[in-house]
Amino acid sequence: RKEVEQDPGPFNVPEGATVAFNCTYSNSASQSFFWYRQDCRKEPKLLMSVYSSGNEDGRFTAQLNRASQYISLLIRDSKLSDSATYLCVVLSANAGGTSYGKLTFGQGTILTVHP
Amino acid sequence: EPEVTQTPSHQVTQMGQEVILRCVPISNHLYFYWYRQILGQKVEFLVSFYNNEISEKSEIFDDQFSVERPDGSNFTLKIRSTKLEDSAMYFCASSTYNEQFFGPGTRLTVL
Repeated sequence: RKEVEQDPGPFNVPEGATVAFNCTYSNSASQSFFWYRQDCRKEPKLLMSVYSSGNEDGRFTAQLNRASQYISLLIRDSKLSDSATYLCVVLSANAGGTSYGKLTFGQGTILTVHP
Repeated sequence: EPEVTQTPSHQVTQMGQEVILRCVPISNHLYFYWYRQILGQKVEFLVSFYNNEISEKSEIFDDQFSVERPDGSNFTLKIRSTKLEDSAMYFCASSTYNEQFFGPGTRLTVL
């Protein structure tokens, strides 16, 4: 089983649509969870951290279910500028539990928002 | 807004040559990382560095790779004898705690 698995996509949606991405992770000891976005041939940029209580940042809502090892991202009112690859990312401590730590990335889901 | 910077943006080298990729992390960050992304593939962890030593490394980070913080600002990745399969985008990242911020990357092409 892949360490971090995402919807393969691609997602092709009109402006104004709501789109949801799902992700599962295999390491139950994972500590922290994130969504990054990556534009073509650019670096990953942190979109938001994901908390068990759920968190919202404007049009973006992220949820974490530790019991199911499941993470989601909801984008409301999609904009053309939201077109990118969305990366589900998990942080794991090292074996000693002291490292701020290795990020494990999913393959990414491509989102294209069209007029 | 502070950011991670990397040089060069693109490096072309011959197989077997040594390359050094340079990074300047965000100034108050204490943890430094290198990741790579082969074209069309996912981002992969290479190494983490804290308190002037490697804290974790992946299977990819073999004896051909080394990292160094030669002064108070730079963080370097050296590949001693490059192979064709080392061609990738190399990203440096830094953090104070959990949230890691990435530099723009160095595209390494090995011919």
